[in-house]
Amino acid sequence: EAQVTQNPRYLITVTGKKLTVTCSQNMNHEYMSWYRQDPGLGLRQIYYSMNVEVTDKGDVPEGYKVSRKEKRNFPLILESPSPNQTSLYFCASSSVGGINSPLHFGNGTRLTVT
Amino acid sequence: SQQGEEDPQALSIQEGENATMNCSYKTSINNLQWYRQNSGRGLVHLILIRSNEREKHSGRLRVTLDTSKKSSSLLITASRAADTASYFCATDEFPGSNYKLTFGKGTLLTVNP
Repeated sequence: EAQVTQNPRYLITVTGKKLTVTCSQNMNHEYMSWYRQDPGLGLRQIYYSMNVEVTDKGDVPEGYKVSRKEKRNFPLILESPSPNQTSLYFCASSSVGGINSPLHFGNGTRLTVT
Repeated sequence: SQQGEEDPQALSIQEGENATMNCSYKTSINNLQWYRQNSGRGLVHLILIRSNEREKHSGRLRVTLDTSKKSSSLLITASRAADTASYFCATDEFPGSNYKLTFGKGTLLTVNP
């Protein structure tokens, strides 16, 4: 089944404790992206990747890191999480870049930073 | 920056009625997409409409695009309780990077049985 898999689904952590949210897609998609969703703010793009080893900042990249060493994986790293990073995070992928083809979304990771 | 903005923020209708949601954006675009999100779940793609298209249909969905007004509308006909969800439009910015996709804040549609 074609899908984008995020793990974990739920994560509660403390301020400053490094964490990684994994994202994997099995559709051989070139484009992958991370979003955060907050009430009243909608979805905001954190980082995106056009292909292996090619990443770029979205609208809210501060406090996040990403890497794209393999085509299928695009982990989101929070080196020193803070409470303002409490949010619902989504990974998405598409066959070609951005607006040109439909995005396939994972089921989300709900992160709470205390 | 918020490129797409949906209107209304919330819409409540009865089953069988039509639902119309609007999306306005600020800059020129290449394409526009509509997505649905059931509560707390991942977004699901509905329709992609290109800047040179004016209307597109998919089942009970009809999307229009007016580039002169920088707006799009999503019409759901004969709505069902299962259509209850949030609906988002997504756009890029032209000229500019079409890899940078911006979503609006969404319209919450409630279809009452």
